[in-house]
Amino acid sequence: AQSVTQPDIHITVSEGASLELRCNYSYGATPYLFWYVQSPGQGLQLLLKYFSGDTLVQGIKGFEAEFKRSQSSFNLRKPSVHWSDAAEYFCAVGARQAGTALIFGKGTTLSVSS
Amino acid sequence: DSGVTQTPKHLITATGQRVTLRCSPRSGDLSVYWYQQSLDQGLQFLIQYYNGEERAKGNILERFSAQQFPDLHSELNLSSLELGDSALYFCASSVAGTSNTEAFFGQGTRLTVV
Repeated sequence: AQSVTQPDIHITVSEGASLELRCNYSYGATPYLFWYVQSPGQGLQLLLKYFSGDTLVQGIKGFEAEFKRSQSSFNLRKPSVHWSDAAEYFCAVGARQAGTALIFGKGTTLSVSS
Repeated sequence: DSGVTQTPKHLITATGQRVTLRCSPRSGDLSVYWYQQSLDQGLQFLIQYYNGEERAKGNILERFSAQQFPDLHSELNLSSLELGDSALYFCASSVAGTSNTEAFFGQGTRLTVV
């Protein structure tokens, strides 16, 4: 079965500073990895996804993530954080097999200080 | 706008009651997922339907049930409600029946059980 761990419950970053949100997954077969963002009172929006190929993937809003199979990690990064990035971020793992659902980590809340 | 519509947006009901949450997937999507989001449990996968058939089951209580209709909309039925069922319930849709494709989320139904 798949599982996702996001070790950081809450992170505060200064506006303009760089950001890295950690995600570790567990899955025996080829993982399909996603990062979603949830703004207050909103649904989840896909930031980026990794299926195969280049291990560094680019997403929307200037985010990128790097897949490291040896570390079972898929960390999300952004070089310069904007106040509007304050939100909750979820890492998720999916699979190609039927009968498996998209499994989410517990999320990391990002606060941006001025 | 993700294209996934959930109604109602808010629901307040008493313990012991039964409610129905409705989800209309994006046009062309055959798969519908239901998730429960609470502060302590995070995003928990409940159940998935694909083209009218149950495809995957997660941590769904026996008091809860769901179905997907021929027009592909889905309903989540919650009965004998308890205080602990208060949560945000999300519906997501995707084109495929497997979790290796992007899922689009609705804005959720906030259920408050009093």
